[in-house]
Amino acid sequence: DAKTTQPTSMDCAEGRAANLPCNHSTISGNEYVYWYRQIHSQGPQYIIHGLKNNETNEMASLIITEDRKSSTLILPHATLRDTAVYYCIVRPLGGAGGTSYGKLTFGQGTILTVHP
Amino acid sequence: EAGVTQFPSHSVIEKGQTVTLRCDPISGHDNLYWYRRVMGKEIKFLLHFVKESKQDESGMPNNRFLAERTGGTYSTLKVQPAELEDSGVYFCASSERQGIRSGELFFGEGSRLTVL
Repeated sequence: DAKTTQPTSMDCAEGRAANLPCNHSTISGNEYVYWYRQIHSQGPQYIIHGLKNNETNEMASLIITEDRKSSTLILPHATLRDTAVYYCIVRPLGGAGGTSYGKLTFGQGTILTVHP
Repeated sequence: EAGVTQFPSHSVIEKGQTVTLRCDPISGHDNLYWYRRVMGKEIKFLLHFVKESKQDESGMPNNRFLAERTGGTYSTLKVQPAELEDSGVYFCASSERQGIRSGELFFGEGSRLTVL
C-alpha cells in the first residue's frame, strides 16, 4: 500500500472548519484514500473514502487533488467531540493482488484538538 | 442495532498465563478482523476471517496467538503463554460482504490487555 504523510498535530477552534491534509504521492491508480479517526479510548471510526472525485457525507468532505497525490479531509463545523487522532489510509480495491480487503495500514495520524 | 462488542474490556494477567479475548461482530457481517496497538506503536492488522475461514493471518506475531471463529459468528483470540510485550489494546472489527466500493470497517471499543 502507498505510504501517507500527515502532520503530527493540528488545532482548530470550535465551530470553524478543520482541514486535515494528507500526502500520498506514491498512490497507484487502483488505490482508494480512506479516512478513519480514533477518539480517546474508543475503537477507530470510519469517516469517508474516495478514489478521485471529491466526496461528501454527513460527517465530512474529502477533497482529492487532480493528480491524486494529496487529499484534505474537511470537518465543516468542528465540535469539541471531534477531538481525535485522524488517520489517512491508502489501499487498493478489495482483493487486488491477494490483499485482504480489510487490511488497513494505520500510520501515526494527526492529533486534532478542537478548543472552545 | 448492536455494534461490535468485545469482552473483556480490560484484562490483567501475569506473564506466562493465558488470556482469551472475545469479539461479537455486527450480525450478518461475514468479515471479521483483529487488530492491536501495543504501547507507543501504531495500530497493526493481525488477521481476517471470512465467515469461519482465515483469509489472511499475515499479521499474527507468533504461534502464541490463536484466533478462531467457529460457526462463523463470534471470534476468540487466545494468547498462550502471554508475554510482557503482548500488553496493549486489541481491536476487533467487522464488515459486510466484500465489495469493490465499500471500505467501511466497524470497530469495537477494544480489549485492553496488561501483562505483568
